[in-house]
Amino acid sequence: QSALTQPASVSGSPGQSITISCTGTSSDVGRYNLVSWYQQHPGKAPKIMIYEDNKRPSGVSNRFTGSKSGNTASLTVSGLQAEDEADYYCCSHATGTTFVVFGGGTKLTVL
Amino acid sequence: QVQLQESGPGLVKPSETLSLTCTVSGGSFSIYYWSWIRQPAGKGLEWIGRINRSGSTSYNPSLKSRVTVSIDTSKNQFSLKLTSVTAADTAVYYCAREVGAPSTSTIDPWGQGSLVTVSS
Repeated sequence: QSALTQPASVSGSPGQSITISCTGTSSDVGRYNLVSWYQQHPGKAPKIMIYEDNKRPSGVSNRFTGSKSGNTASLTVSGLQAEDEADYYCCSHATGTTFVVFGGGTKLTVL
Repeated sequence: QVQLQESGPGLVKPSETLSLTCTVSGGSFSIYYWSWIRQPAGKGLEWIGRINRSGSTSYNPSLKSRVTVSIDTSKNQFSLKLTSVTAADTAVYYCAREVGAPSTSTIDPWGQGSLVTVSS
């Protein structure tokens, strides 16, 4: 069981927008501005898409947006493209003895 | 541009020790934390632990009794040892850099991953 809760799958048609949620607790997602999101294509290493809740690394499309409300973080992908089809993982810093926690992952399907 | 590369045996026998090394090239080795993360086939990511240049470590409590992460700054390498492995430890093992650690979730970049199978 993952520390952060994500939906198993989401889908959308090209050009549409989708949002993936990531629910944690007041000890991780809700406590720090330290949620990140990773994209993983089959057979590849994860790639960072969002860090510190809503910051985009250089080179990441502005179609990817991170946000947070309370203990739930969200990743919105707008203007869906076929290349966006991948698994997405949220990640957060956490208090206590476990310093980094991941969500279980969400499979994004572009219809 | 920083690059990471895992190396080590792809097959380990049950009850033995899994050993992997990550070689870092193309950037500063000294100012970051360096991590190991694993992913069983078809499953999610699990953070194993991290180390900094001073040798300060943090581990996932679920693995802490079996894990050791060490560092060799002279070679720009850090290593993972996982003892008493079982089939449940079969996974792709990634090494990665943590930015802003110890309080961070920014992991970038990642190595390409190394598949380790536990089987007799």
